[in-house]
Amino acid sequence: SQQGEEDPQALSIQEGENATMNCSYKTSINNLQWYRQNSGRGLVHLILIRSNEREKHSGRLRVTLDTSKKSSSLLITASRAADTASYFCATDHPRYGGSQGNLIFGKGTKLSVKP
Amino acid sequence: GAVVSQHPSRVICKSGTSVKIECRSLDFQATTMFWYRQFPKQSLMLMATSNEGSKATYEQGVEKDKFLINHASLTLSTLTVTSAHPEDSSFYICSASQGGPYEQYFGPGTRLTVT
Repeated sequence: SQQGEEDPQALSIQEGENATMNCSYKTSINNLQWYRQNSGRGLVHLILIRSNEREKHSGRLRVTLDTSKKSSSLLITASRAADTASYFCATDHPRYGGSQGNLIFGKGTKLSVKP
Repeated sequence: GAVVSQHPSRVICKSGTSVKIECRSLDFQATTMFWYRQFPKQSLMLMATSNEGSKATYEQGVEKDKFLINHASLTLSTLTVTSAHPEDSSFYICSASQGGPYEQYFGPGTRLTVT
């Protein structure tokens, strides 16, 4: 079964607005990562947050992690048309406890930023 | 740095034939490589994990005799889809890692279409 579940499944906003995507997971994790994927392309790593961290920033990205609720959120501020992509959260694979870096991906949120 | 390439980017083959997909880490040594498949509008599903010089570990439900994985060197892993069928048509993505808690770097993906 999926470890990560994002919501919403699709999000459409205007350029300049903020976009918030959420991810929930089921088992304990060592870390949680967010990736973006442009249509038909590979994944680009955005940010990694460890289980002992609560918040992390990278440029216009802000990620929070609540291990008690088993959830994370990705906030993109001042969105641009170029941010249009699918965004996935990924957690380390419970089978290996993250020792090999195995990831389980959520279903993703498709973000559309209109100019 | 940390570039992963895949070849070919697109391949069309006839049902019953075999197809080999290469994944290369261009500027680092990848002790671990991962193979994922992604159906349209869906998330990435881990197929197998391979460590250099040892047999791949396949996820439940993935046929190891159908999806042959070889990780003969620290910079190259191959996935061979044997006796391909139309239901094998998918987007195959590899990632490479230096192992352990290190970040995974994803290739651009290979679009396989079996006719």
